[in-house]
Amino acid sequence: SQQGEEDPQALSIQEGENATMNCSYKTSINNLQWYRQNSGRGLVHLILIRSNEREKHSGRLRVTLDTSKKSSSLLITASRAADTASYFCATGNQFYFGTGTSLTVIP
Amino acid sequence: NAGVTQTPKFQVLKTGQSMTLQCAQDMNHNSMYWYRQDPGMGLRLIYYSASEGTTDKGEVPNGYNVSRLNKREFSLRLESAAPSQTSVYFCASSESLAGASTTDTQYFGPGTRLTVL
Repeated sequence: SQQGEEDPQALSIQEGENATMNCSYKTSINNLQWYRQNSGRGLVHLILIRSNEREKHSGRLRVTLDTSKKSSSLLITASRAADTASYFCATGNQFYFGTGTSLTVIP
Repeated sequence: NAGVTQTPKFQVLKTGQSMTLQCAQDMNHNSMYWYRQDPGMGLRLIYYSASEGTTDKGEVPNGYNVSRLNKREFSLRLESAAPSQTSVYFCASSESLAGASTTDTQYFGPGTRLTVL
């Protein structure tokens, strides 16, 4: 399975701090995606990183990819209360979403 | 563009009743998916349709049937609802199924919260 697994399961930080969450996967990939899910809503695509990229930025988001370690990280800088959500990574045929990282940003 | 729409938003059924969850997308996507999400379990794929006219089982297909009515619409039917099917159901679509190593961005609907008593 190319299933991605997120870590940690839960993360609680103060507003303004940075949040880092990780994703590990098992087989080789061509790309990896991160999604966000606000409580009770559908998943929303955040960012895609290709296997030949090591780092990608989008606004306050920074994604890294280490294909040798089969891992990716999502960094949210200067977090806001509105960033409170669950974050999922998706790899391979993207049928599999793990339990995600539940991020709580305290105002 | 409405994106992916789902109806109904909420539904309560009694054990043994049947119902159909509707999903439609207006992005001219080829592939569509049905997931269920239970607390602490992440999303699990029920069925998917790679293209109009085709459907395939996902991880948890038992107790469900699907119909890809046309390119826009993909419905999920519960023939005889059971309490174990209490969940939040999400429909999603993508341009294509892509390959085994390549993901295609999926666009999700708002979900249907189903309770089976």
